[in-house]
Order: sequence, then structure tokens, then C-alpha cells
Amino acid sequence: DGGITQSPKYLFRKEGQNVTLSCEQNLNHDAMYWYRQDPGQGLRLIYYSQIVNDFQKGDIAEGYSVSREKKESFPLTVTSAQKNPTAFYLCASSRGTGTYEQYFGPGTRLTVT
Amino acid sequence: AQSVTQPDIHITVSEGASLELRCNYSYGATPYLFWYVQSPGQGLQLLLKYFSGDTLVQGIKGFEAEFKRSQSSFNLRKPSVHWSDAAEYFCAVGDASGTYKYIFGTGTRLKVLA
Repeated sequence: DGGITQSPKYLFRKEGQNVTLSCEQNLNHDAMYWYRQDPGQGLRLIYYSQIVNDFQKGDIAEGYSVSREKKESFPLTVTSAQKNPTAFYLCASSRGTGTYEQYFGPGTRLTVT
Repeated sequence: AQSVTQPDIHITVSEGASLELRCNYSYGATPYLFWYVQSPGQGLQLLLKYFSGDTLVQGIKGFEAEFKRSQSSFNLRKPSVHWSDAAEYFCAVGDASGTYKYIFGTGTRLKVLA
């Protein structure tokens, strides 16, 4: 089955620690995206990548980093510089940029205490 | 700047009743418009999309939406709601100016009464 996997489903970390969220897709999509979701705020774009080895900041990139070394993988690192990292994180991919719809993974809920 | 507004934060309907969820957008050119549904703790599933052509689009699960340029709206409708439709619904507009990002609305949470 083609799709997007995110692991783990739940993640707990202490303040001051970096943490990496995994996102893998086997849809052969060129573009991948990371969103943050908080109650009442919809989805906000953190980073996106249109091709391998290239990525751009979204609207709320501060305190986050990404890499795109392989077409199927787009991991997100939440660094200790992110002031309020507790949130639900969603990864998405699309066939390309433009009109192509985005497909979403199941999400990772990160709790930092 | 582009924006998407979903004016209703919560909507409650009875099972079997009709449903309309509102979405208004602000965009200079012809927008690419999407409706997604999200069950609690899950990812988003695409319900339908509008790129061009017929302004009434059909989607999955019996949903449809109508693009009205004059009103800058893309409202989602369903003639008869089922209890399983209870979820959060997001409207999004795609940015065709070069970045191809989505702008999401803040969502409408639907509750269905038995």
C-alpha cells in the first residue's frame, strides 16, 4: 500500500533536548511538507521541499530544521530553540508543486515537559 | 495577502439533516481550493478539490462543494449527515504564485446528534 508513515505516534521529551520526527513516503512524490497543528489555529507550514537536497522555510520555521537527502524521507528536528514545541505534527507529500493535492500522514504528537 | 476564513468554529447537526460548512478565501487569481477532513488524533483526508471548470465539485463520502467567485466562497455541503461524519473540516487554498504552499483555515468541528 502506498502512503505516508510518521513515527512515532506519540513522543515525549524533556525541555532542552532536540528530537527528530520521522516522515517516509512511498508514493514517489517529489514534494514534501511539515505542518504544526495547535487547537484553534489550523495547520501552519514549518518547512517544505520540492526536490531532493532542497527545502524552504515556511511560516514558522524558527526552532526547527529539516533535511531531504532522499526522495522518500523528510525528517523534522525540533530543536531546543523552539519555545513551545508541544503540538501535533503532520507530514504531507504531493506529486509535485502546483495544483497537485497534498496527502497527509497520521501525525506525531510531541509533548515536551 | 492570501487568507482563508472558516467562520464557524463548531457546528452541530442532527443525523440525517443537511450540512453546509462555510469557507471564504482571499486570493488575487483563480484559486486552487481544497476541503479536508480530520478525525481526532489522525491525519487529514482529502474530500474534494477545485482547480478550474465546473464550479460544483463532487467528492468522497457524499460531499460536494460549490465555487462562487463573486462571493469568494467554497462551501462544503452534504444532503444527509451520518454520525460517522463527526470530525473537523479544513478548507485550504493553494498558492499558485510560485511557492505552491497551502493556506489552511482554522477548521470547523462538526458534531452529529443521534
